[in-house]
Amino acid sequence: LAKTTQPISMDSYEGQEVNITCSHNNIATNDYITWYQQFPSQGPRFIIQGYKTKVTNEVASLFIPADRKSSTLSLPRVSLSDTAVYYCLVPRLNYGGSQGNLIFGKGTKLSVKP
Amino acid sequence: ETGVTQSPTHLIKTRGQQVTLRCSSQSGHNTVSWYQQALGQGPQFIFQYYREEENGRGNFPPRFSGLQFPNYSSELNVNALELDDSALYLCASSLPGGTYEQYFGPGTRLTVT
Repeated sequence: LAKTTQPISMDSYEGQEVNITCSHNNIATNDYITWYQQFPSQGPRFIIQGYKTKVTNEVASLFIPADRKSSTLSLPRVSLSDTAVYYCLVPRLNYGGSQGNLIFGKGTKLSVKP
Repeated sequence: ETGVTQSPTHLIKTRGQQVTLRCSSQSGHNTVSWYQQALGQGPQFIFQYYREEENGRGNFPPRFSGLQFPNYSSELNVNALELDDSALYLCASSLPGGTYEQYFGPGTRLTVT
């Protein structure tokens, strides 16, 4: 499984754009990059997933360079409610087509201040 | 559409006892995974069930066992509880196919004294 490295913590202010970068140097050809968000005392929530270039949804954007050894989660105009832990994962699909096991690191604790 | 539910919400057990945690998966999801999350850490994968069979296991001892039922609900059983088993236990269900989007429940907070 590809090991991921991301900052332990980040601070931001309301209304700013936040970029969290994750490195995954040994990513395999078929691996996707997935990001989850977790609020205190809740289960993680899927945010976004991508393979290459750029993916955007209503919550965030994910930028993946051509070599795919890193990725950047971009949160536009954060609010206080975006304070959470953000996890970068590179799951591996199990044999038989079932879901890949999710291996979580410690994630990045984002604190948004007023 | 009902999301993933877990019971109980909180539980206090004594060292050496046994515990059973329950999870109801989201409608149509045939894969259920269990995770243990200690305070300040990311969730750690325990095992996964796919079509009622164990389909992958993390680095947890055999006293952690599970079941998946025909309706895709699941149980996590832990025998001979240890103090270090105190954690938030998360269940996640997912759709058939090749996506990596797992839907997590709110978790069961287990305290072992």
